[in-house]
Amino acid sequence: EAQVTQNPRYLITVTGKKLTVTCSQNMNHEYMSWYRQDPGLGLRQIYYSMNVEVTDKGDVPEGYKVSRKEKRNFPLILESPSPNQTSLYFCASSLVVGGPYNEQFFGPGTRLTVL
Amino acid sequence: AQKVTQAQTEISVVEKEDVTLDCVYETRDTTYYLFWYKQPPSGELVFLIRRNSFDEQNEISGRYSWNFQKSTSSFNFTITASQVVDSAVYFCARTSGSRLTFGEGTQLTVNP
Repeated sequence: EAQVTQNPRYLITVTGKKLTVTCSQNMNHEYMSWYRQDPGLGLRQIYYSMNVEVTDKGDVPEGYKVSRKEKRNFPLILESPSPNQTSLYFCASSLVVGGPYNEQFFGPGTRLTVL
Repeated sequence: AQKVTQAQTEISVVEKEDVTLDCVYETRDTTYYLFWYKQPPSGELVFLIRRNSFDEQNEISGRYSWNFQKSTSSFNFTITASQVVDSAVYFCARTSGSRLTFGEGTQLTVNP
């Protein structure tokens, strides 16, 4: 089944404790992206990757890191989480953004609470 | 940043009413894509439609229709004869180069 998976689905942590949210897709998509969803703000893009070893900042990259060592995986790293990073996070993938196959396929979401 | 604006934060209708969700965007690009996504109460994001900036034809899919007007930078979504199952948050989005910008979302509640 074609899908984007994220783990964990729920996470409660404390300020400053490094964490990683994993994202994996099995559709051989080049483009992967992370978004955060906050009430009244919609979804905001954190980072995206056009292909392996190619990553770039979205609209709200501060406090986050990503890596793209393999095509299928795109982990989101919070080196020192803070309470303002409490949010619902979505990973997504698509064949190519800006081209004809750019419907985003979204993962199920990760709800992160930073105390 | 070039914004996508969904001015209607919440809309409440009674079943079988028609409802239009507005989306207005800013762009300096000649080529871009527009999208609508649905987020039902279960939380997943469901793709509804994609439009490119060169195709201004309106589209109808069952009870759903979309009106793209480049002159006013709008991409509005109409649900005809709404149903309770249409209750969800709806997001409009626009590409800008390699980025994707979403609107704030419109919470639609369809009451029986």
